[in-house]
Amino acid sequence: NAGVTQTPKFRILKIGQSMTLQCAQDMNHNYMYWYRQDPGMGLKLIYYSVGAGITDKGEVPNGYNVSRSTTEDFPLRLELAAPSQTSVYFCASSYTDWNTEAFFGQGTRLTVV
Amino acid sequence: GESVGLHLPTLSVQEGDNSIINCAYSNSASDYFIWYKQESGKGPQFIIDIRSNMDKRQGQRVTVLLNKTVKHLSLQIAATQPGDSAVYFCAENLLGSNYKLTFGKGTLLTVNP
Repeated sequence: NAGVTQTPKFRILKIGQSMTLQCAQDMNHNYMYWYRQDPGMGLKLIYYSVGAGITDKGEVPNGYNVSRSTTEDFPLRLELAAPSQTSVYFCASSYTDWNTEAFFGQGTRLTVV
Repeated sequence: GESVGLHLPTLSVQEGDNSIINCAYSNSASDYFIWYKQESGKGPQFIIDIRSNMDKRQGQRVTVLLNKTVKHLSLQIAATQPGDSAVYFCAENLLGSNYKLTFGKGTLLTVNP
């Protein structure tokens, strides 16, 4: 049982480049989330999804886009990378909403130079 | 600013001692709280949760206490082990904001052998 899988684990981008962070879960969870974690800080919600075809903004959505075409996958898109997007990105999933246990991926460390 | 904060950014304990990690929250409407453990290079891992209608909840070697009067949350780890060394985050779920879990900045727990 793989749980939540994120790829890549590390990436360096140049300013203005774009990329997609992949997230997949095999637990048949309805709810999925993208968080970013800056050094020495807690996690901030970027986007979330309550099911296939449904997404919504979190606390810090600017500069990002998401899609949820299947229950399993929830990719995060950076269109024009900026240094402020240097962070560690975590994907998470849960069966229902946050009132139940959420499972996190291992994270993607992104550096924008 | 964030409504969830931690009193101590770092905590160092001897192996076998009990650890207490504290967290303060400012929103009396918060109705659900979670403690996460994050080891270096890994995603957060759920430890224990508590709802606002409870004062105390126990797990394996961990106890969470909730004091709604002073808006304070604590995580107690019994017989702390080297494997407990990690950053511990408390997170707050605001009533009516199920998808916007607010994380504190974290406390680094170091267990000395």
